[in-house]
Amino acid sequence: RKEVEQDPGPFNVPEGATVAFNCTYSNSASQSFFWYRQDCRKEPKLLMSVYSSGNEDGRFTAQLNRASQYISLLIRDSKLSDSATYLCVVRAGGYQKVTFGTGTKLQVIP
Amino acid sequence: DAGVIQSPRHEVTEMGQEVTLRCKPISGHNSLFWYRQTMMRGLELLIYFNNNVPIDDSGMPEDRFSAKMPNASFSTLKIQPSEPRDSAVYFCASNPGTSGSANTGELFFGEGSRLTVL
Repeated sequence: RKEVEQDPGPFNVPEGATVAFNCTYSNSASQSFFWYRQDCRKEPKLLMSVYSSGNEDGRFTAQLNRASQYISLLIRDSKLSDSATYLCVVRAGGYQKVTFGTGTKLQVIP
Repeated sequence: DAGVIQSPRHEVTEMGQEVTLRCKPISGHNSLFWYRQTMMRGLELLIYFNNNVPIDDSGMPEDRFSAKMPNASFSTLKIQPSEPRDSAVYFCASNPGTSGSANTGELFFGEGSRLTVL
């Protein structure tokens, strides 16, 4: 079983739609969780951290369920510019070892 | 502020040749990571350093791969001899590497080195 698993997609959604991605992780000792965004042929960049109580940043909402070991990302009112691959990232260990999921591709269609 | 700087951005080489990829982390960052990204396997951690010391190199594919960090501002990833299956994008990333609330855990990536081995 992979340490971090994501549905690769692609998710093709119309502009204005709401879309949700899930991610599961296997290491119950994982400490920190993040969503990164990667545009085509670019480097990954932090989108948002994921906190235990859930957190929101504009149109983006992240949730963490430690009991079930999954993380979610909700995007409301999708924009064309949201088209990208979204990477789920889990951190464990004192030396900041981080593991990336393989990513979920989102394509927002006009 | 300068981000993580990688070179070369693109490299095309023939099988059997030596390849050296370079990385300059963000100044003041104490942790440095080398990742490889392919369509099939996504982002894979190859090795990471803390305070110039290799902490975990379990992701290094085999003896053909080696990484060094001679000082806080420079790291290299070397492949010798290179093989077609090494073709990928190699990313370097850095992080402050300090504990406490000041470190959000964010990794700052360079733009990557796209390697093609013919």
